[in-house]
Amino acid sequence: QLQLQESGPGLVKPSETLSLTCTVSGGSISSSSFYWGWIRQPPGKGLEWIGTIYYSGSTYYNPSLKSRVTISVDTSKNQFSLKLSSVTAADTAVYYCARLPFIAAAGLWFDPWGQGTLVTVSS
Amino acid sequence: DIQMTQSPSSLSASVGDRVTITCRASQSIGSFLNWYQQKPGKAPKLLIYAASSLQSGVPSGFSGSGSGTDFTLTISSLQPEDFATYYCQQSYSTTTFGQGTKVEIK
Repeated sequence: QLQLQESGPGLVKPSETLSLTCTVSGGSISSSSFYWGWIRQPPGKGLEWIGTIYYSGSTYYNPSLKSRVTISVDTSKNQFSLKLSSVTAADTAVYYCARLPFIAAAGLWFDPWGQGTLVTVSS
Repeated sequence: DIQMTQSPSSLSASVGDRVTITCRASQSIGSFLNWYQQKPGKAPKLLIYAASSLQSGVPSGFSGSGSGTDFTLTISSLQPEDFATYYCQQSYSTTTFGQGTKVEIK
């Protein structure tokens, strides 16, 4: 059974860089059948897609965050990572990682998800 | 960007009720539409993918329909464990989520 686990600091200072890692267990991140992604959810609000990566390193980012986001993959560790620079209080959220199965004729979806990790931006 | 608009934003219903949630896309997205359920303090859970395909393990009381710009999630008979927030998500062009529909107990 595939599981994903987010890890990283729970508190980040304004203007600094938020860094999170998602560790995949029970399956290979190098599978050609899946993408891998990050989603966030500010307290009491809805879901926002941050970005997606393929095991080859191809990345796709939310245009509203693109200038500050970097997603990378480490296939040797079965992990992928998120870096979000120049954070402000508006970046306070629960950050989720997820696997994205895809079918060319049907699109892609997030399943399963990690449990999420709360990152607070505050001095 | 493709905007996804859900309606209603919230609803109150009783156990046993039939519930319908609508998701409208700002442009045609074919069947590239998925539905999720989220309970407080938990990660979202995939219910429906490709507009109408039931994810494995999801109760048959959930169903999805639609194509193009208008989509529907139906719960045929609301169960106590179904009280949650539901989100739609399009993957036709990058990806965006609807704002969510909170289903509350009446």
